[in-house]
Amino acid sequence: GEDVEQSLFLSVREGDSSVINCTYTDSSSTYLYWYKQEPGAGLQLLTYIFSNMDMKQDQRLTVLLNKKDKHLSLRIADTQTGDSAIYFCAEDEGNAGKSTFGDGTTLTVKP
Amino acid sequence: SQTIHQWPATLVQPVGSPLSLECTVEGTSNPNLYWYRQAAGRGLQLLFYSVGIGQISSEVPQNLSASRPQDRQFILSSKKLLLSDSGFYLCASTFGETDQRTEGGYTFGSGTRLTVV
Repeated sequence: GEDVEQSLFLSVREGDSSVINCTYTDSSSTYLYWYKQEPGAGLQLLTYIFSNMDMKQDQRLTVLLNKKDKHLSLRIADTQTGDSAIYFCAEDEGNAGKSTFGDGTTLTVKP
Repeated sequence: SQTIHQWPATLVQPVGSPLSLECTVEGTSNPNLYWYRQAAGRGLQLLFYSVGIGQISSEVPQNLSASRPQDRQFILSSKKLLLSDSGFYLCASTFGETDQRTEGGYTFGSGTRLTVV
């Protein structure tokens, strides 16, 4: 079945860039997603990328997709303390709208 | 855009007691609906999904059940809770017939923290 893997923790200084990486297994995924979860809350869809794209930029967020290596990354420019959260990578399964999620990367931003 | 209402926010229940968590969706019709459980603030485990009224698919065998009595209502239930049912339960939806989006992706509710004691 599908599998999505992420590193569990990332710590950066305020103002630096953060890069969160993800690998996935299903080469037929049409969309790949990044979600953000703040403590005690549900997940919020941050951004997504269509599988025929290499890059997508949305304000401080840049998503890079290497389809050959099945590698997805999320870059957050000028990281702020409010960006501290758990970030989940997910790929669509192409079945009933389901997605497979990674275990999440906890981003800690130090002042 | 879609909005998901999920309640209660927190729940403490004794072992062996019943459970009913409710989720309702606004802003779309005929959405796909999902129940996820998140253990220890980490990965999401898909429990059930539904593509229409009365249509429920179970992803993992367990002590829980789900029902969809109305188009935009999804209920998670148990007759007798176990300690292992503790966790953070999230309801999610994907686009329905009245949504303009085509790229998928979930809208999540705010979650229910269930502690079985």
